[in-house]
Amino acid sequence: DVKVTQSSRYLVKRTGEKVFLECVQDMDHENMFWYRQDPGLGLRLIYFSYDVKMKEKGDIPEGYSVSREKKERFSLILESASTNQTSMYLCASTWGLGDTQYFGPGTRLTVL
Amino acid sequence: AQSVSQHNHHVILSEAASLELGCNYSYGGTVNLFWYVQYPGQHLQLLLKYFSGDPLVKGIKGFEAEFIKSKFSFNLRKPSVQWSDTAEYFCAVSLNTGFQKLVFGTGTRLLVSP
Repeated sequence: DVKVTQSSRYLVKRTGEKVFLECVQDMDHENMFWYRQDPGLGLRLIYFSYDVKMKEKGDIPEGYSVSREKKERFSLILESASTNQTSMYLCASTWGLGDTQYFGPGTRLTVL
Repeated sequence: AQSVSQHNHHVILSEAASLELGCNYSYGGTVNLFWYVQYPGQHLQLLLKYFSGDPLVKGIKGFEAEFIKSKFSFNLRKPSVQWSDTAEYFCAVSLNTGFQKLVFGTGTRLLVSP
């Protein structure tokens, strides 16, 4: 079974803090994704990566950056957290970009 | 811009009732179609998918979906729901060519009362 893990289930941070969310997959998938999930808005793509050190902006990249130094690990960085970044963050991975995505359990981030 | 519409935001059913959740997309090309489900407190997981072939696809837990190309639709169905089907359901679409990402609908929350 594919396993996608995320570093924290719950996280509380203060406005202006730098926040790191980490995601690890164990299936040697080429592609990894970061989404945020908000009620009534579904899943919105923040960034994705199709190879080590490669990244592409998704639909809502503002205020976020990413890092992929190793194939199995994809990090989401909030350079200066703001209250409107309070959300559930989901990581996913897949073989092909249009193929089935496997999701982690999510990190519920609250920014005070 | 490509989009995916799920018109039912909240659905409440009694056990044994039939379920149909609508999904429409606005892509013009060949598509891959997915339904994902998120049970309370659990990971988002794949329910079923359509890439090609028979437009009626069967997934886990008795769910099925029909791809109707002329209507740009991929509706999810289940003949008789159970309390354990209470979850949020997401339709997702990607183009079948090139460097294409998955686009999700806004989700439908299903509550099944015992």
